[in-house]
Amino acid sequence: GIQVEQSPPDLILQEGANSTLRCNFSDSVNNLQWFHQNPWGQLINLFYIPSGTKQNGRLSATTVATERYSLLYISSSQTTDSGVYFCAVFGNAGNMLTFGGGTRLMVKP
Amino acid sequence: DAGITQSPRYKITETGRQVTLMCHQTWSHSYMFWYRQDLGHGLRLIYYSAAADITDKGEVSDGYVVSRSKTENFPLTLESATRSQTSVYFCASSESRVIGGDTDTQYFGPGTRLTVL
Repeated sequence: GIQVEQSPPDLILQEGANSTLRCNFSDSVNNLQWFHQNPWGQLINLFYIPSGTKQNGRLSATTVATERYSLLYISSSQTTDSGVYFCAVFGNAGNMLTFGGGTRLMVKP
Repeated sequence: DAGITQSPRYKITETGRQVTLMCHQTWSHSYMFWYRQDLGHGLRLIYYSAAADITDKGEVSDGYVVSRSKTENFPLTLESATRSQTSVYFCASSESRVIGGDTDTQYFGPGTRLTVL
């Protein structure tokens, strides 16, 4: 099946800093989503982005499907951005959303 | 707009007992999914359903049973709970499975933390 790798696994930032999270996948995809899992465990949709670029406030995402990676940018980070960020993909041949291992982000005040 | 809800939120049971986790969505989404989240394994698909009375196995379906008699409900049953089924269970739904369309987006419930003693 399709492999999804996220980097870095852990990230500590000072409030106000910017960061880039990366998601690499091993095969062509027709669905890619970014999620934020907050400290209470809730999984929140950030972006549906199988290709191209989207922005939502301080967050933006870019997927380069031909090179099999996606990037999530967090600008001017806040403590409420803390949690785990997951990338998940549907491969072209499958019906399963495959999740990466996540990036655990801690934003310090 | 309640969205997608799960019950119970926390459950402790004993090995060998039958347990049913409930999932309800108010969006009339066609697709519903069950995942489990474990340390070291991330989220893995247990079962999914494309519509009422249509279900299919995911990556880790052994020991689980699902049904979908109504579009809005998708219960997950552990027929004889084992300690290895201690996990956090998430239900999700999506409007459809149109390849490349936003209706493919999955929305997750708050999760059920299950402990099997």
